[in-house]
Amino acid sequence: EPEVTQTPSHQVTQMGQEVILRCVPISNHLYFYWYRQILGQKVEFLVSFYNNEISEKSEIFDDQFSVERPDGSNFTLKIRSTKLEDSAMYFCASSVAGQYFGPGTRLTVT
Amino acid sequence: SQQGEEDPQALSIQEGENATMNCSYKTSINNLQWYRQNSGRGLVHLILIRSNEREKHSGRLRVTLDTSKKSSSLLITASRAADTASYFCASRAMIYNQGGKLIFGQGTELSVKP
Repeated sequence: EPEVTQTPSHQVTQMGQEVILRCVPISNHLYFYWYRQILGQKVEFLVSFYNNEISEKSEIFDDQFSVERPDGSNFTLKIRSTKLEDSAMYFCASSVAGQYFGPGTRLTVT
Repeated sequence: SQQGEEDPQALSIQEGENATMNCSYKTSINNLQWYRQNSGRGLVHLILIRSNEREKHSGRLRVTLDTSKKSSSLLITASRAADTASYFCASRAMIYNQGGKLIFGQGTELSVKP
């Protein structure tokens, strides 16, 4: 069964550094998403992406965040200058109808 | 309550018993989805119910949707220890010109004791 994959599974970075989180959505899906989950909290929407552009973004998704679909398979989330409060689990999802989530990348900012 | 609030927050049952979790939401929805999350792991898609559906089954799972009350329930029958996890509902708003973001609740932590 097709799955959404994410790399790396765990990323440790220092405050102020740039990170790129990578996702490979399910191949016939058209909509792509990033969500995050701070430890012990609910899953929060960051951004949705369709037809090579952002279709919606949340207040969390400020100028420090960007998304890209650099080729036909990858979908990336970049955080330009990480802050301590960016530490969270980041989930990529893709959909046609239901949204299917990847296993997540645990980002730890020290 | 916030969009996608689950009730109860925690539920502890014995293996073989049924587990019922409830979810409420605020805005009109296109669909509602239920997910399972084992501790520190990813979100596993369980079931999607559309706004024009009232009940849906998948194996031991039964989901109901009451749009007049803006609520949904997830029933797991004949629970197993392996069902121990957090369960989340996530609603997709009825707004067609947006990307279909999901709004998650806080989740119900289910513990099934052998």
